[in-house]
Amino acid sequence: KNQVEQSPQSLIILEGKNCTLQCNYTVSPFSNLRWYKQDTGRGPVSLTIMTFSENTKSNRRYTATLDADTKQSSLHITASQLSDSASYICVVRGYGGSQGNLIFGKGTKLSVKP
Amino acid sequence: EAEVAQSPRYKITEKSQAVAFWCDPISGHATLYWYRQILGQGPELLVQFQDESVVDDSQLPKDRFSAERLKGVDSTLKIQPAELGDSAMYLCASSLNEANEAFFGQGTRLTVV
Repeated sequence: KNQVEQSPQSLIILEGKNCTLQCNYTVSPFSNLRWYKQDTGRGPVSLTIMTFSENTKSNRRYTATLDADTKQSSLHITASQLSDSASYICVVRGYGGSQGNLIFGKGTKLSVKP
Repeated sequence: EAEVAQSPRYKITEKSQAVAFWCDPISGHATLYWYRQILGQGPELLVQFQDESVVDDSQLPKDRFSAERLKGVDSTLKIQPAELGDSAMYLCASSLNEANEAFFGQGTRLTVV
């Protein structure tokens, strides 16, 4: 069964600190993986997309990594800000037919405290 | 900047009543999705349209939920009758086609009392 597992479920850090969120998936065959940021009460917004051949991709203070062999991805946030407080959702798209559906993780809830 | 528009933003309804949500996707986007997101969980697909056709409604509770996209543009999701367990955020998303990035609307927060 295609699954996306995220850890930790929740995380509290102090402003200015770094953190890393994890995503493990079993979706196969694999097309791409996205990290979304979802503010409370809002729709998800895409941060990065990783395809099979990409190992690292950065977007401002967000750096995503992908190991397609071990089916693991991480999202590293550098110098966290209060506005980073949100849920971060890992979404994997399979390839072909029903496997082309988006498979969502349950998200990691990040709280950045002053 | 083009956005996916959803209305209403918030809806409170009594159980057994009917409720409807509306979504206007980004212009030119052929694929439209409706998701349900329970608090603290990831979104779960309810229905996917390609233009006006349903391509996946396997997770849609068809005894009470219905969705349509008559002209292949905007879409309506209806629940009748609403149950307490339907309280959730209902998200609409659209993409150019199935393989492209999905852009999400702000969602409709439904509370059934």
